Amino acid sequence: GQQLNQSPQSMFIQEGEDVSMNCTSSSIFNTWLWYKQDPGEGPVLLIALYKAGELTSNGRLTAQFGITRKDSFLNISASIPSDVGIYFCAGSSGNTPLVFGKGTRLSVIA
Amino acid sequence: NAGVMQNPRHLVRRRGQEARLRCSPMKGHSHVYWYRQLPEEGLKFMVYLQKENIIDESGMPKERFSAEFPKEGPSILRIQQVVRGDSAAYFCASSPSTGASGNTIYFGEGSWLTVV
Repeated sequence: GQQLNQSPQSMFIQEGEDVSMNCTSSSIFNTWLWYKQDPGEGPVLLIALYKAGELTSNGRLTAQFGITRKDSFLNISASIPSDVGIYFCAGSSGNTPLVFGKGTRLSVIA
Repeated sequence: NAGVMQNPRHLVRRRGQEARLRCSPMKGHSHVYWYRQLPEEGLKFMVYLQKENIIDESGMPKERFSAEFPKEGPSILRIQQVVRGDSAAYFCASSPSTGASGNTIYFGEGSWLTVV
């Protein structure tokens, strides 16, 4: 089945630093999504990407749909304490359910 | 503009009992998905339903688990004769019916099942 490799597994950064995380897949996707999950809560959609090469921003967050359609990255600029949480990538080839990465756990040191 | 509503948020069951988790999709969404999340893990797909139809149940265990999305009312995920390994967070999500945005799913806040 489809597999997503998300990295890094965890990150410890200083407040104000930029963050970058990425996902690669074993197959071609036509949708990439990025979610954030806080403890005890459901995942919240951050950015949705539908076209290869697409670059989309949401405030301090920027995500790109890789040209090969097998990867995506998420950048967070000027991190703040409330960015703490687990970030998940998810992808779909359209006729299959969304597949999720195992998450990147972000810790921000004030 | 209510989001995906799940209840109960927390449920404790003894081994052998039944657990019923309910999900009402976002307004205007006719597709419902159930995912399971174990501690420190990502989300694993279980089942995808439209009204009165199971579209894909490839991620659901063959025994003890069932799901429905009736014409009226919420979607139900039912786990019979629960075991300790069923303890997890169960997330429901919904999506619009058509178009590229049909692949974008929005999650509820989850139901945390603990089997004692």
